[in-house]
Amino acid sequence: NAGVTQTPKFRVLKTGQSMTLLCAQDMNHEYMYWYRQDPGMGLRLIHYSVGEGTTAKGEVPDGYNVSRLKKQNFLLGLESAAPSQTSVYFCASSYDGTGNTEAFFGQGTRLTVV
Amino acid sequence: GEDVEQSLFLSVREGDSSVINCTYTDSSSTYLYWYKQEPGAGLQLLTYIFSNMDMKQDQRLTVLLNKKDKHLSLRIADTQTGDSAIYFCAGEDSSYKLIFGSGTRLLVRP
Repeated sequence: NAGVTQTPKFRVLKTGQSMTLLCAQDMNHEYMYWYRQDPGMGLRLIHYSVGEGTTAKGEVPDGYNVSRLKKQNFLLGLESAAPSQTSVYFCASSYDGTGNTEAFFGQGTRLTVV
Repeated sequence: GEDVEQSLFLSVREGDSSVINCTYTDSSSTYLYWYKQEPGAGLQLLTYIFSNMDMKQDQRLTVLLNKKDKHLSLRIADTQTGDSAIYFCAGEDSSYKLIFGSGTRLLVRP
């Protein structure tokens, strides 16, 4: 049981480049989330999904897009990276539909935009 | 919507007790959670409490829930240097979506 897997683990981008972060979960969870974590700022929710084919904006959605074409995958895209998007990104999943809402997190993706 | 707030930083001496506090706004949470994040890692579930309980003890951890005041706390007895980490509380909104606090960084001094 792999849990939540994020790829890649590290990436350096030049300003203006694009990239996609992939999150995969094998727990049949309904909900998936993308967070960014910056020093002194805690976790901030970027986008989330409450089921396959659905997405919703979180607290800091600007500059990011997401897609949930398959239940097990949640993709986070940066169309034109900016230095302000340098951060550690975490994916999480939760809620198996039975009332169990424990969240599981990936190990994070450290992104640097230069 | 649900809002969850925590203090940002706590420093204690090794062997003392640590108390990390959290307040929340949405009373619809069935469960309230504490997660721990060690350096360079993702968050992992530490403990949780069912909303109809007011206390849960798990070895060195004690969770207290005051539903009237919407206040949750995590007490770590005999705090060790390995307990140094960021601790996040989390609740649910009415659609089971988890809402996390900003995290409390616990520093344990030798």
